[in-house]
Amino acid sequence: GAGVSQSPSNKVTEKGKDVELRCDPISGHTALYWYRQSLGQGLEFLIYFQGNSAPDKSGLPSDRFSAERTGGSVSTLTIQRTQQEDSAVYLCASRLAGGGIYEQFFGPGTRLTVL
Amino acid sequence: AQSVSQHNHHVILSEAASLELGCNYSYGGTVNLFWYVQYPGQHLQLLLKYFSGDPLVKGIKGFEAEFIKSKFSFNLRKPSVQWSDTAEYFCAVSPTDSGGKLQFGAGTQVVVTP
Repeated sequence: GAGVSQSPSNKVTEKGKDVELRCDPISGHTALYWYRQSLGQGLEFLIYFQGNSAPDKSGLPSDRFSAERTGGSVSTLTIQRTQQEDSAVYLCASRLAGGGIYEQFFGPGTRLTVL
Repeated sequence: AQSVSQHNHHVILSEAASLELGCNYSYGGTVNLFWYVQYPGQHLQLLLKYFSGDPLVKGIKGFEAEFIKSKFSFNLRKPSVQWSDTAEYFCAVSPTDSGGKLQFGAGTQVVVTP
């Protein structure tokens, strides 16, 4: 597609349930990032994938959060046993890597509400 | 730890007024610098970026920013704003050894009145 897509656009879940958020990056982009945007914390980095390298998980807030990237393309962010403080907009971004091209293109986000 | 500070959380101004948004960062190494904008109901998009070279960079929609290394600043400017510039503006920093991950400032909500 022309841009980064994310699904679902909105997700409402009950506390304690697991959720999966999906990101389709721009075709050919080898780097993929997850961020979250919340009222209290602003925009925070969560995790970064680059090619076949081990992901940089340094931003994940707890071990309830995990992400994978299959085939170097689609990524899924999983939140287990959701808590109310997980409510936020989860953003995915992708970029070409190397050659000094560092612009990240962002998707529209998934708004997660934990009741 | 590195940090990004945006000086104003909310700015209200009239059309044709000039806009300047401050951004300071703390990081000891080399960084790439960005301004992103989020228009109402839309997703984040890049306004401009600085990697190296001329510290005065020009972006889309008449925006520019100046990198002042000695002040660790990357302030955004626009000489004459329009109502359509109403948006939230985010400064972001990426250390060159970080794999491109961005650290964002808290954002500045800009409202331009007709």
